[in-house]
Amino acid sequence: DGGITQSPKYLFRKEGQNVTLSCEQNLNHDAMYWYRQDPGQGLRLIYYSQIVNDFQKGDIAEGYSVSREKKESFPLTVTSAQKNPTAFYLCAGGGFSNQPQHFGDGTRLSIL
Amino acid sequence: GQNIDQPTEMTATEGAIVQINCTYQTSGFNGLFWYQQHAGEAPTFLSYNVLDGLEEKGRFSSFLSRSKGYSYLLLKELQMKDSASYLCAVIDATNAGKSTFGDGTTLTVKP
Repeated sequence: DGGITQSPKYLFRKEGQNVTLSCEQNLNHDAMYWYRQDPGQGLRLIYYSQIVNDFQKGDIAEGYSVSREKKESFPLTVTSAQKNPTAFYLCAGGGFSNQPQHFGDGTRLSIL
Repeated sequence: GQNIDQPTEMTATEGAIVQINCTYQTSGFNGLFWYQQHAGEAPTFLSYNVLDGLEEKGRFSSFLSRSKGYSYLLLKELQMKDSASYLCAVIDATNAGKSTFGDGTTLTVKP
């Protein structure tokens, strides 16, 4: 089936640890995005990429890093510099200009 | 920059009609999306408006007035499964064509 696949569904981070959230797509989208969602709030953009080997910071990039080595994959690393990482993380593809975004099922990250 | 406002919460009765408003300010408007998000799940696309007027899709309709910076999502014949958060997202052509999301409106449908 075509879509955006995120893994894992749940992730726990220890103090001082970096963790990586996976996002894979087979929809052939050029553009991919990472959002953070806190309870009762909307989506805040962390990073986005419009083409392979290029990505741009969103509104809340501090404490996060990404890579886009191939079109299908856009992993997000939550570094130890992100002091409040507990949130629901959503990856999306498409959404450039008049295209709606297609979202993965999300990863819920918590602190141990 | 962009500023998007939606009511935080709304409650309606099964079988009724509800209108969820979204107002926005943007320097390069290039379209508006509505998404539905059930608790703990991913948002799913509902509608897209770029020209003024009403777009109808079954029980759901979306309206846009570009001059007023205003959109609404109209849900008819409400069902319990319509209880969800509804997100308004605006595309800004001056912001690399990206969407900026409002905080969402949580709709509760009661029997």
